[in-house]
Amino acid sequence: GQQLNQSPQSMFIQEGEDVSMNCTSSSIFNTWLWYKQDPGEGPVLLIALYKAGELTSNGRLTAQFGITRKDSFLNISASIPSDVGIYFCAGQRGSSNTGKLIFGQGTTLQVKP
Amino acid sequence: DTEVTQTPKHLVMGMTNKKSLKCEQHMGHRAMYWYKQKAKKPPELMFVYSYEKLSINESVPSRFSPECPNSSLLNLHLHALQPEDSALYLCASSRTWGQDTDTQYFGPGTRLTVL
Repeated sequence: GQQLNQSPQSMFIQEGEDVSMNCTSSSIFNTWLWYKQDPGEGPVLLIALYKAGELTSNGRLTAQFGITRKDSFLNISASIPSDVGIYFCAGQRGSSNTGKLIFGQGTTLQVKP
Repeated sequence: DTEVTQTPKHLVMGMTNKKSLKCEQHMGHRAMYWYKQKAKKPPELMFVYSYEKLSINESVPSRFSPECPNSSLLNLHLHALQPEDSALYLCASSRTWGQDTDTQYFGPGTRLTVL
């Protein structure tokens, strides 16, 4: 099925470093979501974006809804070991696409203490 | 509170067994979902229920049978599964289905192993 292009696929960084990941699409979305998933657990919603150009923060996390509605990025500042996990972006078009979530392939983040 | 609960946490079953997965939410959400997730892959949509009615079946084999007995509960009945059906099964819910603001909240999942 349709997927988003999420990059990078994986990152291995030092504790305290900043992290940036992004998702792009050839189609526009009305909503962008960012989830984090720990091993063996379900995805946890980090940030939801509902308006083009919107910039939203949640603690050390910042995400933006691209102005073209075809991309979004997630930044993590001052990474800590508990940031380890897989981060998924997801786009949604509401009723024009039956409301299904379209997921990126995920970014695996590893943090070295 | 954005909690979706799922039971059991882990399930091991043989190919001839019949088992059920359960999902519950008390957020007043009227849309509920089943997803299947393989290791290191994104979730794949299986079923969508809206106001207790099946709205979407993503061509899922009949050995998976969903049921929504009321607005808070969602079941997935399993019968004659194959080893390739082993995966993490996720339940999710949202306020309604089909609107841009219908953010989906996921449960912790059931890790299913089919022997």
